[in-house]
Amino acid sequence: AQSVTQLGSHVSVSEGALVLLRCNYSSSVPPYLFWYVQYPNQGLQLLLKYTSAATLVKGINGFEAEFKKSETSFHLTKPSAHMSDAAEYFCAVSGGGSYIPTFGRGTSLIVHP
Amino acid sequence: GAGVSQSPRYKVAKRGQDVALRCDPISGHVSLFWYQQALGQGPEFLTYFQNEAQLDKSGLPSDRFFAERPEGSVSTLKIQRTQQEDSAVYLCASSPGTSPGNEQFFGPGTRLTVL
Repeated sequence: AQSVTQLGSHVSVSEGALVLLRCNYSSSVPPYLFWYVQYPNQGLQLLLKYTSAATLVKGINGFEAEFKKSETSFHLTKPSAHMSDAAEYFCAVSGGGSYIPTFGRGTSLIVHP
Repeated sequence: GAGVSQSPRYKVAKRGQDVALRCDPISGHVSLFWYQQALGQGPEFLTYFQNEAQLDKSGLPSDRFFAERPEGSVSTLKIQRTQQEDSAVYLCASSPGTSPGNEQFFGPGTRLTVL
């Protein structure tokens, strides 16, 4: 069985500050890991994914995430927040014979001017 | 190019009514997923199609929920005798292949409100 825990349902940062959204996963086999972003009234859009090619993954809009097997983590970061980054962010895990991803509960990113 | 589209975008149903939600995936995408997203939650898996075959329906919450993809493209999720607990956003996603490492492309969702 696989699961995802996103610590913090809301994260608030100032514009220009570092963004750190936490994701820990549980999987019995090497996983595929994803970060998706959801803007209001829209579907989810892929930010980046880990598929074992490299532990540091760069995505769109300046986001990146690092796969740390020892910590079972895949935290999402961005050096400098922009107002347009305000959205809901979801971490997801799949693999181990299952093509069905398991999503976390999401973290709402709030960016203050 | 065209992405995944869903219709209607909003649906209000009286308790006990039947509803049908449509998903148009990206052309040529083999895999199609349906999810239910409650307010403030992540997407919860409902069912999975590979072409026209429904390979997994383990997430459907009751036998009132039924999904089909008869020609391997458009899919319909049907909910019979709707209940208030069915109120949620229903998301459809498609993927070009069958690997669990494939990106999923999501539609905007259908927001169902059952009164």
